[in-house]
Amino acid sequence: QQPVQSPQAVILREGEDAVINCSSSKALYSVHWYRQKHGEAPVFLMILLKGGEQKGHEKISASFNEKKQQSSLYLTASQLSYSGTYFCGTEKDGNQGGKLIFGQGTELSVKP
Amino acid sequence: GAGVSQSPRYKVAKRGQDVALRCDPISGHVSLFWYQQALGQGPEFLTYFQNEAQLDKSGLPSDRFFAERPEGSVSTLKIQRTQQEDSAVYLCASSPKSGGYTFGSGTRLTVV
Repeated sequence: QQPVQSPQAVILREGEDAVINCSSSKALYSVHWYRQKHGEAPVFLMILLKGGEQKGHEKISASFNEKKQQSSLYLTASQLSYSGTYFCGTEKDGNQGGKLIFGQGTELSVKP
Repeated sequence: GAGVSQSPRYKVAKRGQDVALRCDPISGHVSLFWYQQALGQGPEFLTYFQNEAQLDKSGLPSDRFFAERPEGSVSTLKIQRTQQEDSAVYLCASSPKSGGYTFGSGTRLTVV
């Protein structure tokens, strides 16, 4: 079942922070985060595994709450380059070879 | 190669025509995935391979869709008797046994 992302869209000024949420109705093994710019391929940001810790990548970090079946992506001090559509991809167990079900995306626009 | 290569980049097909979309994954990546992405939506799972074995084809929309990866490397997604609803971007991704996906740039299929 497709995870639900919120918000659907967000507009920021450069330097502002944002949080993107990803919720599933089913237990999860892992959550992946990707960013896709218009007309380009999605780019891998990070993976969070069940039982793992919060991860970070430059000023982008994420958490995974297994009990709530939720993950959140935190973007701090946003830069113009952060603009794009963010997708979470969820893996329900570790026996499916990494098969992901993606959310519908959150469109992030960072303005100067 | 350094990344996942897909060809053709764009394909216009007349309704009823057969098409073949090629994916050349990162060398050594065990897993290969095909996704369909409609405009403004997240990627939707079609099928995946682990080496040459097609382990899940539950996302293929109809029996007009067929995928293969005969030698565990290059994969081809074939669509027979294309319909207008097949118009979308077809994304291929590969990954090591566990880890994030590297996506190709996709093939934009337009059925007229």
